[in-house]
Amino acid sequence: KNQVEQSPQSLIILEGKNCTLQCNYTVSPFSNLRWYKQDTGRGPVSLTIMTFSENTKSNGRYTATLDADTKQSSLHITASQLSDSASYICVVSLSGGSYIPTFGRGTSLIVHP
Amino acid sequence: DAGITQSPRHKVTETGTPVTLRCHQTENHRYMYWYRQDPGHGLRLIHYSYGVKDTDKGEVSDGYSVSRSKTEDFLLTLESATSSQTSVYFCAISVQAGGGTDTQYFGPGTRLTVL
Repeated sequence: KNQVEQSPQSLIILEGKNCTLQCNYTVSPFSNLRWYKQDTGRGPVSLTIMTFSENTKSNGRYTATLDADTKQSSLHITASQLSDSASYICVVSLSGGSYIPTFGRGTSLIVHP
Repeated sequence: DAGITQSPRHKVTETGTPVTLRCHQTENHRYMYWYRQDPGHGLRLIHYSYGVKDTDKGEVSDGYSVSRSKTEDFLLTLESATSSQTSVYFCAISVQAGGGTDTQYFGPGTRLTVL
């Protein structure tokens, strides 16, 4: 069964600190992996998307990495801000024309001043 | 937001009543989805559509039906609402991102409470 597991489930850090969120997946055959940010009360918004051939992608202070061999991805947030408080969701899609992605349950990040 | 709107944004209803949620897109994308999001479960697919009148079930489709009579509208109906259907419902569309990849864009969500 295709699965996406995220860790930690929740994380609390101080403003200005860095943090790394993890995503492990068993989805195969792999097409692409996306990280979404979901603010409380809003829909998820895409941060990064990586295909099989890419191993890193940045979006401002967010940097995603992908190791397709070990089926692991991470999202690194640099110099965290209060506005980074949100849920971060890892999403993996199959290749072969499937448009039904597999979602992780998300990591809830709280940034304290 | 890729031109996605959902209505209503909030609804309170009673057990046993039918409820219809609407998703509207302005960009004629082929794929549309309905998800529900509950604490501890993340986003779960209810139904999806790959064209007008073409729909299929997701992992949590029991108690829900959908219709797509126009490209821009995707309706989700709870035939007889139950308290277990209290949730936040998100509509999404799939947009081709190049290189054979696609990205989903989500609507703002509908918070449904079934008493």
